[in-house]
Amino acid sequence: DQQVKQNSPSLSVQEGRISILNCDYTNSMFDYFLWYKKYPAEGPTFLISISSIKDKNEDGRFTVFLNKSAKHLSLHIVPSQPGDSAVYFCAASGIIKAAGNKLTFGGGTRVLVKP
Amino acid sequence: DTGVSQNPRHKITKRGQNVTFRCDPISEHNRLYWYRQTLGQGPEFLTYFQNEAQLEKSRLLSDRFSAERPKGSFSTLEIQRTEQGDSAMYLCASSLVSPWGANVLTFGAGSRLTVL
Repeated sequence: DQQVKQNSPSLSVQEGRISILNCDYTNSMFDYFLWYKKYPAEGPTFLISISSIKDKNEDGRFTVFLNKSAKHLSLHIVPSQPGDSAVYFCAASGIIKAAGNKLTFGGGTRVLVKP
Repeated sequence: DTGVSQNPRHKITKRGQNVTFRCDPISEHNRLYWYRQTLGQGPEFLTYFQNEAQLEKSRLLSDRFSAERPKGSFSTLEIQRTEQGDSAMYLCASSLVSPWGANVLTFGAGSRLTVL
């Protein structure tokens, strides 16, 4: 039962253009959503998060949009830079004690930014 | 503080052997998590500790797996009688849980296990 899905395994974009990464979830009890970036041979690093009470959060070149009714979120990177080439994971956590505040991850999207 | 540290970074073992991984979390963090990641997949939750108490275990954590966090500091993940299906990257993460805001996990670089 995959509660968080990233349906695009890879994305290729030209430097300077926008990268849009998508994520869908099924559990309506998720209350926070996070994006992580992972370079080879390193652990995932936190990028940006959004609370379920918001529909947008922006941090520099990164913006996350949340559509609760569609159970969908997206990460926009503008402008894309070669250093953004990495695997991006969408993750979600719930407030219910049974959910444990643990993060449930999607399968990842590999982004390649071409110079 | 240098972040979350994991050792060893890479372990190659023969099927049937036992292996142990160690994780040193960020000292101020009160939660410690273990995840497993296989090729092309996202990290999958295994277990977590709040201080020294192990509060949740995934059904992925068979009885061959055991995790400890003595004194609420470092943690160890032991796999007994390893199988080829155990080959994966084992990620440790820590966080400081607060009543508000997202639970942001800080990950280590991982320990890669290869079972021959």
